[in-house]
Amino acid sequence: QVQLVQSGAEVKKPGASVKVSCKASGYTFTTYGISWVRQAPGQGLEWMGWISAYYGHTNYAQKFQGRVTMTTDTSTTTAYMELRNLRSDDTAVYYCTRESQVGPTIFFAYWGQGTLVTVSS
Amino acid sequence: QSVLTQPPSASGTPGQRVTISCSGSSSNIGSNTVNWYQQLPGTAPKVLIFGNNQWPSGVPDRFSGSKSGTSASLAISGLQSEDEADYYCAAWDVSLNGWVFGGGTKLTVL
Repeated sequence: QVQLVQSGAEVKKPGASVKVSCKASGYTFTTYGISWVRQAPGQGLEWMGWISAYYGHTNYAQKFQGRVTMTTDTSTTTAYMELRNLRSDDTAVYYCTRESQVGPTIFFAYWGQGTLVTVSS
Repeated sequence: QSVLTQPPSASGTPGQRVTISCSGSSSNIGSNTVNWYQQLPGTAPKVLIFGNNQWPSGVPDRFSGSKSGTSASLAISGLQSEDEADYYCAAWDVSLNGWVFGGGTKLTVL
């Protein structure tokens, strides 16, 4: 079965960087892209960007361009999301999610368990 | 401020039918299909409806989706206590070249 297992919670100071990992299993890693979605406390879902696990091509939401880097390691079937220059409003649960496609429709079929990143001085 | 607009809350009694709306624009719902996600308290979201009105395996047909123009809606019939959750609509936005979500609707089963 498809599983996405994320790294543990992090506490960072403002201005620091965080790198969250997402270990994929149960499918051919390079067949599907991975998106990252975050959720601030008590708030809604926010898409941060996408990476092709095969080519490594990325598409970042404009809000995060210049501050986020998404990568994959096909040898370990792991995706990574690094967010730099952290601010207090980056405090959120960060999810990796794998897309699926049925005909022309793409949707987020599988989700990691989430990683809480707390930014506090 | 979310790109897609949902009511912040909805409620119903067991057995009732409730609907949740999602309003967008020509660059998202108007030109692409809508997916709905359910997020139970303390858990990751789960896809409920994709492609406006299709069910992933395992999702009961009490849940149904529809789309018209730049709006979509999720209907839940035969409401059950375990349906108490947050519900999010999502669509690809061609202008932003990315996924956009609604702000979420918290469903309370009275």
